[in-house]
Amino acid sequence: GPKVLQIPSHQIIDMGQMVTLNCDPVSNHLYFYWYKQILGQQMEFLVNFYNGKVMEKSKLFKDQFSVERPDGSYFTLKIQPTALEDSAVYFCASSLTDRASDYTFGSGTRLLVI
Amino acid sequence: AQSVTQPDARVTVSEGASLQLRCKYSYSGTPYLFWYVQYQRQGLQLLLKYYSGDPVVQGVNGFEAEFSKSDSSFHLRKASVHWSDSAVYFCAASIPTGGYKVVFGSGTRLLVSP
Repeated sequence: GPKVLQIPSHQIIDMGQMVTLNCDPVSNHLYFYWYKQILGQQMEFLVNFYNGKVMEKSKLFKDQFSVERPDGSYFTLKIQPTALEDSAVYFCASSLTDRASDYTFGSGTRLLVI
Repeated sequence: AQSVTQPDARVTVSEGASLQLRCKYSYSGTPYLFWYVQYQRQGLQLLLKYYSGDPVVQGVNGFEAEFSKSDSSFHLRKASVHWSDSAVYFCAASIPTGGYKVVFGSGTRLLVSP
């Protein structure tokens, strides 16, 4: 079936540097999401994005985080500057509707901040 | 606040044995309920979902789940597990009036031993 691609699959970055996580959603999907999963813990909602705008964000979505999808290209999560506690696996998801059963998840980007 | 609890962090069963993974939710109404599976280094895949109607829902690969309003539960079951079922299973919920995000449980790691 259609897939959500996340690039890169792994990223190691020095604390304080900027990182951009890229998500190539399913082509006709309209809703986009980022989730964060710290090793061994549950996936936690970060943000959702629709029609060029952030619809909702959680308290985990710090001021250092931003999302965008310029010109229908990648849906990106930028962290600037990064902190040690940002180390996690970040999952992107997209959906055609806002129904959770329509979500298609990517395989995640494993981010390590050192 | 809406929450999902999976009380068992790890479950080990023998191949061919039956399985039940527990999930309880906290919400005053009836949320949409889901079970996802995460194989190693992959994204989440939807196993099954419950919106309304028959409390027993069938999913892929012989999995089923039963919704219980009185118990606020949505336990996952399989009659006979296979070694390839070894993965992390996440229970999740989304309230019907706000479909923009999904709340996940902490996950249960299933190990099927030969």
